[in-house]
Amino acid sequence: IQLTQSPSFLSASVGDRVTITCRASQGITTYLAWYQQKPGKAPNLLVYRMSTLQSGVPSRFSGSGSGTEFTLTISSLQPEDFATYYCQQLDTYPLTFGGGTKVEIK
Amino acid sequence: EVQLVESGGGLVQPGGSLSLSCAVSGITLSDHHMDWVRQAPGKGLEWVGRSRNKARSYTTEYAASVKDRFTISRDDSNNSLYLQMNSLKTEDTAVYYCVRYDSSGKDDCWGQGTLVTVSS
Repeated sequence: IQLTQSPSFLSASVGDRVTITCRASQGITTYLAWYQQKPGKAPNLLVYRMSTLQSGVPSRFSGSGSGTEFTLTISSLQPEDFATYYCQQLDTYPLTFGGGTKVEIK
Repeated sequence: EVQLVESGGGLVQPGGSLSLSCAVSGITLSDHHMDWVRQAPGKGLEWVGRSRNKARSYTTEYAASVKDRFTISRDDSNNSLYLQMNSLKTEDTAVYYCVRYDSSGKDDCWGQGTLVTVSS
């Protein structure tokens, strides 16, 4: 299953509402996760099972979607949110990741 | 607290072999599926493979790009996961992460990664 993220690059300001989309090449169940990665660090799980917030993750992050289209929303972008975001499907082998969305400061 | 610590990375020539280890603490390793994920320099994430837990007979799955070259194994008594990499190619150059898969459907714990460089 191929995952296509859009946009691949996003320039935004602190306080902006940001939405990242992940489209799957075929329908998947809710086994869709979102990660945040900062340079030189391992990815950090934000959302799993499409919409469940990982413990300790701020509530400004949320996940939604169904079938082949999924979204990660940051309701009010904070300075620490500038990073690269990846979606991942854990529904079907081989597991796959989206190509990433880099969120930079405008 | 769950901790995953990878080791064994380094420089290897094309066609060579390398074995990575992941020391696991804070969990009972036999209860969990474990994944290897890699990231080439400046690139995105790529799932490498999975070792299922004891209940699933430690069966494995691999990405097509590494199948028949890489082997995942584990030693639950030593709380360790391994990745044996043979016939290495330059495109295998990456940081390799050891990841715990939780039964609620998430890869929730990642190691810090170890860099493998395949170059002559």
